[in-house]
Amino acid sequence: DAGVTQSPTHLIKTRGQQVTLRCSPKSGHDTVSWYQQALGQGPQFIFQYYEEEERQRGNFPDRFSGHQFPNYSSELNVNALLLGDSALYLCASSLAGTGLGKAFFGQGTRLTVV
Amino acid sequence: TQLLEQSPQFLSIQEGENLTVYCNSSSVFSSLQWYRQEPGEGPVLLVTVVTGGEVKKLKRLTFQFGDARKDSSLHITAAQPGDTGLYLCAGVGPGAGSYQLTFGKGTKLSVIP
Repeated sequence: DAGVTQSPTHLIKTRGQQVTLRCSPKSGHDTVSWYQQALGQGPQFIFQYYEEEERQRGNFPDRFSGHQFPNYSSELNVNALLLGDSALYLCASSLAGTGLGKAFFGQGTRLTVV
Repeated sequence: TQLLEQSPQFLSIQEGENLTVYCNSSSVFSSLQWYRQEPGEGPVLLVTVVTGGEVKKLKRLTFQFGDARKDSSLHITAAQPGDTGLYLCAGVGPGAGSYQLTFGKGTKLSVIP
């Protein structure tokens, strides 16, 4: 049973560019959350997708957007990249109604903006 | 302002020693979770505590949730090098009906053989 998979694992982008990160949830899960973890910090909630809609959003600018597909996989898009967007981006999947305690994290995508 | 404060930020101990890390908040969370994260990996859930005063044990790890559900602690007995990692506490919320996890900054633990 595959867990949460994220791609790519590492990415280097130039300031001002756009990036798309991908996440496949654990089998049987229907909810995907995205987190940003800067170096030396805990993960910060970006948003959560359920039933192909953004259900809740954290304190992130509109440059951060997402999408969930009918197969429950998800994408995180970041436009007009800033140096400060360099971080580990984590995807967590869960099954609606079972509580966040059952959330599983992927290994993350390390984004470096130069 | 950090909603969840973890202490200490860094901890380096010898194999076999005991240690306690703390997670404190000014807000009430419906539940608190503890994760361990290794470099280059995502956080792995260790335990969820829900009831005030709850104590859970996972082998050499003991987790406590404060009576007021604002603080938690993780105690490790006879630490081993395999315990090395970043320990994160996270609360569901803030606010009722929230779908987000709010994390502390973590405690970076190094266990020296």
